[in-house]
Amino acid sequence: SAVISQKPSRDICQRGTSLTIQCQVDSQVTMMFWYRQQPGQSLTLIATANQGSEATYESGFVIDKFPISRPNLTFSTLTVSNMSPEDSSIYLCSVDTSGTTDTQYFGPGTRLTVL
Amino acid sequence: AQSVTQPDIHITVSEGASLELRCNYSYGATPYLFWYVQSPGQGLQLLLKYFSGDTLVQGIKGFEAEFKRSQSSFNLRKPSVHWSDAAEYFCAVGGGKLIFGQGTELSVKP
Repeated sequence: SAVISQKPSRDICQRGTSLTIQCQVDSQVTMMFWYRQQPGQSLTLIATANQGSEATYESGFVIDKFPISRPNLTFSTLTVSNMSPEDSSIYLCSVDTSGTTDTQYFGPGTRLTVL
Repeated sequence: AQSVTQPDIHITVSEGASLELRCNYSYGATPYLFWYVQSPGQGLQLLLKYFSGDTLVQGIKGFEAEFKRSQSSFNLRKPSVHWSDAAEYFCAVGGGKLIFGQGTELSVKP
């Protein structure tokens, strides 16, 4: 497993602004993932972030709206840009520590409210 | 298409009673299957996983799950529920990209 932290844990933002969420892991991992959990909903994968390459976005998510950085093997950021109330969600990062068995461990999440 | 169905949105059980949460999946190949638990205001914690081999898998906190290929199911069970088990439970399938079910909220009556 891995110890994963996210910052901030929660935030309230005004529409039109941007928020950058940080995800830190206590060990080097190849694959990191970003998920969105809308209120009362399940988790939806936003993108996969591998170090040294561009993030791979899922259908319905675009880089201009959710730019991702992955500068090293222990850290990643997700930015939610030009926010609207529909972006109010919990954003979670996860990591696959094995690189082969596809077991993901999740961070505590960032609860975002957009007014 | 790959999908996961958790038929029960909300379940209430009495403390000490047994529990079974249902999960059905649709997946083209042999699936990797997972159960996660999310307590209020928390992230997801991995309870157990199935990749291959013995179809009855043991997890943390006294949970177990049984993979039934013929029924495309991976139901989660616990013989005796504790009040601290009240949470949201998610079934997931896949490799690399996880596909989650809608979740089952578990309430525990004293």
